[in-house]
Amino acid sequence: EVQLVESGGGLIQPGGSLRLSCAASGFSVDDYAMHWVRQAPGKGLEWVSGISWNSGSIDYADSVKGRFTISRDNGKNSLYLQMDSLRVDDTALYYCAKDIFGPLVPAGGLDVWGQGTTVTVSS
Amino acid sequence: DIQLTQSPSFLSASVGDRVTITCRASPGIRRYLAWYQQKPGKAPKLLIFTASTLQSGVPSRFSGSGSGTEFTLTISSLQPEDSATYYCQQLNPYLTFGGGTQVEIK
Repeated sequence: EVQLVESGGGLIQPGGSLRLSCAASGFSVDDYAMHWVRQAPGKGLEWVSGISWNSGSIDYADSVKGRFTISRDNGKNSLYLQMDSLRVDDTALYYCAKDIFGPLVPAGGLDVWGQGTTVTVSS
Repeated sequence: DIQLTQSPSFLSASVGDRVTITCRASPGIRRYLAWYQQKPGKAPKLLIFTASTLQSGVPSRFSGSGSGTEFTLTISSLQPEDSATYYCQQLNPYLTFGGGTQVEIK
């Protein structure tokens, strides 16, 4: 079964750091582009970051550029999001998602999603 | 940046109605657009990719059309289980989502 399971969320003070993990099963993360998408409470979807199948292309939303770093461990079949200098407006449910294609852009569409992990930034 | 505007933000329709949601891009994005359905407490589900290709397993009452600057998601005969929020997403060169359309069943 194709599945994504996120972990690593929690309550963190502004300015702190968290590392989200996303474990994939049923497919290889190095065959597809992978993405992080977040959803603030009661709000819409916001694309956060993506990485192409060969890690040759990486991009970030302007709102997180310079603070977040996406990476992948093919041996562990996992995706990661290192989040530094966290702000209150980073509070959201963070989803890991698989693209139907390998390149970052043009993307194909996100066909497999995890259940999400909640990040709460508050003092 | 490319602006992606989705409308309406809310619609209420009856079972069996034909429902259309619009997503406008400025400037144009050729056919690089996807549509998703999200139910409360659940992850989004891919419905349509490359503007009009139906994702495997998605009921045929869902269809997508358009290219360039205007795209539509159509539900040909609304069903009770279609109550959800629908999002469009541009796929090139940016990956931003539209603001969402909440569909309510009367």
